[in-house]
Order: sequence, then structure tokens, then C-alpha cells
Amino acid sequence: DIQLTQSPSFLSASVGDRVTITCRASQGINNYLAWYQQKVDKAPKLLIYTASSLQSGVPSRFSGSGSGTEFTLTISCLQPEDFAVYYCQQLNSYPLTFGGGTKVELK
Amino acid sequence: EVQLVESGGGVVQPGGSLRLSCAASGFTFSDHYMDWVRQAPGKGLDWIGRIRNKANKYTTEYAASVKGRFTVSRDDSVNSLYLQMNSLKIEDTAVYYCVRVYGSDWSTHYFDYWGQGTLVTVSS
Repeated sequence: DIQLTQSPSFLSASVGDRVTITCRASQGINNYLAWYQQKVDKAPKLLIYTASSLQSGVPSRFSGSGSGTEFTLTISCLQPEDFAVYYCQQLNSYPLTFGGGTKVELK
Repeated sequence: EVQLVESGGGVVQPGGSLRLSCAASGFTFSDHYMDWVRQAPGKGLDWIGRIRNKANKYTTEYAASVKGRFTVSRDDSVNSLYLQMNSLKIEDTAVYYCVRVYGSDWSTHYFDYWGQGTLVTVSS
């Protein structure tokens, strides 16, 4: 199984900050990586697919990059509604797996 | 508007069975692969299974943790997805989400729509 390691697991930030979350895969995943945002008691929401493509309707302050085994999600200017948990997911092989999550909290 | 609405959750004893349903609307259900994802209380996301579309013979994939106990099925005539859960264990306690897979190629296997989830509690 492909393991995804997210870092950090917890991040304290202020409105307006630039935030970067890293996701490392235990083997190459052909850029078949997605990022999701989950707010409290809500279903996850797709932000980024194929490592760097922005899902329709998602603000442009979110961006994804990376290749091979290391990927990043960047929020360029953190907004109050961005405080949530973020998960990466690999879509390269079964079983599909998620990272452990990164909780972004208000400093 | 795409909607996925799960139902069937509840409390069940260890060793028991439960069947979850997901009613889909707002898109051509029969075209899409459909998956189930769960989330234990306070924990992360856990993919559990997939059913492909008719063009791909309705074949299925499962996580090792549920293989042989859970069965994913679908009825395209009523736009519904199902999860039959047998031999339930305490560690199966979670919110279960029905999700739509965007496309059929590996590059498009991301989850673009999620239901609101239904809670399954396995407890004696």
C-alpha cells in the first residue's frame, strides 16, 4: 500500500499568512494526487486534483504543486473560512489512501 | 445540482449487519464509478470500496480491512449505491460517505462530490 505522510499535522496561522502543507508518498504516484478540505461536521471538499489543477469554484489562493513523491498545498493568503483540516489522497493504485490530515487553526 | 444522500446508519451490535444506501441525483449516475469512504470519530479519512460503471462491468475494489465483510453494489435504474456491511466490528464505527468519482481514467479518479454522511455505531 502507498503511505502518505502529511506535515505538519497541526499548523497555527493568522489571517493573511501564506501556508504550505506537504504530502510525501512512499512511492511514486504519477501526480495522481488530490487535496481536500474538511470543516467541522462537514463532508470533505475537493480543492486540487492531479497535483496542481484547481477544482472549479475553488478560490485561486489555493494552489498545488509537486511531482513524484513530494507534493505541496499552498494557501497564499489565509482567510477566516480556510481554518479546517486538509487531506491529501493518492489515486495511483489500490487501495486508495489518504494522508493523516493537517489541521489549520487560528493563531 | 449534484446530490448524494446517504441513509441506513444506526447502532448495531458486534457481529451484526447493516445496509447503507446512497440516493444520487443531478447527474447521469450510470456513467460514474462510485465509492464509499469512512471516518471514525475524531480520525482521518479511510477509503473502503469502489464499484465501477456498466461499461466496466460493475467490477469492485475493496480495502483489505473490509474485504470479505463489506459489499458495494448499485442499481442504476433507481440511481442508488449500496454498502452491505456484515460481521461488523467495533472498529467499523464511523461516518460513512458516499462519493462520486469524477472519471474512469486513473488521472480522473478524484472525488468531486460527497454526501453528507451517515453514522454507523457498532456497540454492545
